[in-house]
Amino acid sequence: SQQGEEDPQALSIQEGENATMNCSYKTSINNLQWYRQNSGRGLVHLILIRSNEREKHSGRLRVTLDTSKKSSSLLITASRAADTASYFCATRGAGSYQLTFGKGTKLSVIP
Amino acid sequence: DSGVTQTPKHLITATGQRVTLRCSPRSGDLSVYWYQQSLDQGLQFLIHYYNGEERAKGNILERFSAQQFPDLHSELNLSSLELGDSALYFCASSVSYNEQFFGPGTRLTVL
Repeated sequence: SQQGEEDPQALSIQEGENATMNCSYKTSINNLQWYRQNSGRGLVHLILIRSNEREKHSGRLRVTLDTSKKSSSLLITASRAADTASYFCATRGAGSYQLTFGKGTKLSVIP
Repeated sequence: DSGVTQTPKHLITATGQRVTLRCSPRSGDLSVYWYQQSLDQGLQFLIHYYNGEERAKGNILERFSAQQFPDLHSELNLSSLELGDSALYFCASSVSYNEQFFGPGTRLTVL
């Protein structure tokens, strides 16, 4: 079963705009990760935020985590056509190696 | 390139058949995970092996089995295949509780 639910399911923006994707989850977590998947290819890890962190940055990516609301957001600033992909949040529970993925947000960046 | 390899890239077979998917993890990674990605179910965790031992099972059907060998490569065996088994199958590896590195996947088509 899916732990996370991303919102929106699909997002279309112009190049240069910011893209925000949200993720909600159900159970307590050790960390939350975001992955990108280009069409039909393998997932690529983007960023990890631990349960005791509230915000993390990596290049044009900013991730926030609100454990009280069991939600996270991924912000991609100054988007590029190459950012077109599906983005998934994945949660890891305490004492577990496995990740539980949401259904993803499909981002289209129009040049 | 994540360093995780999967073979074959594509597999077309008939219902009732049996196939084996192979995965070689990144050098040094002791954990191997298998995931199934389909349009209706999203990305589902199947099974996790750590240094040859099964550590966790997810939504893996009884018709499916996996193993990890002493050289750490892993195989996922799918038998009595049904049309609904058509999906992308991903292998991932990790060295810790943190990020997982995904292979390019095997696209299975059951006719």
